[in-house]
Amino acid sequence: GEDVEQSLFLSVREGDSSVINCTYTDSSSTYLYWYKQEPGAGLQLLTYIFSNMDMKQDQRLTVLLNKKDKHLSLRIADTQTGDSAIYFCAETSNQAGTALIFGKGTTLSVSS
Amino acid sequence: DSGVTQTPKHLITATGQRVTLRCSPRSGDLSVYWYQQSLDQGLQFLIQYYNGEERAKGNILERFSAQQFPDLHSELNLSSLELGDSALYFCASSLTGVADTQYFGPGTRLTVL
Repeated sequence: GEDVEQSLFLSVREGDSSVINCTYTDSSSTYLYWYKQEPGAGLQLLTYIFSNMDMKQDQRLTVLLNKKDKHLSLRIADTQTGDSAIYFCAETSNQAGTALIFGKGTTLSVSS
Repeated sequence: DSGVTQTPKHLITATGQRVTLRCSPRSGDLSVYWYQQSLDQGLQFLIQYYNGEERAKGNILERFSAQQFPDLHSELNLSSLELGDSALYFCASSLTGVADTQYFGPGTRLTVL
């Protein structure tokens, strides 16, 4: 079945780089997404990568895609306390239109 | 601000009751999705509409139903509520509903007592 796996917690110091990893199952996903959820808030689209790309950079964010291993990562450079949140990896379902299949989310804790 | 609005922000009700959650998509978006976020199940897709028609169904219970109106706003109806229905319900919208980016609203937190 479809499943997206993420580690549950990551703790870093302010100024360090954070790397959040994700594995997905559907090799036919057209896009893969990263969303951010702050406490009590909705899901904010951070970035996405088209499946024929290996890498995408957007300011402090770098997304790496390894299609062979079905592995996606999000690197946040110069992590700030404001980056503390839950980060969700998502792929497009192949069984339900273009619905998103989400991982359980990685809680990023940034200490000063 | 994603441009997707949801009302109400919070809803507290009792078991057995029925509630309606409302969503207005971003201007120009034709497709609306509903998701449920709970501690045990995580984020799960419920149902998708495109221009008033149901397009895809996920793990939506028979007690739940939805529709999308001609002005493109959508409503999610939850009936015979159970304690386990307590969750955050998100609406998302996208332009075409086909492999395009989904933008999420702030969610409605439902508490069933």
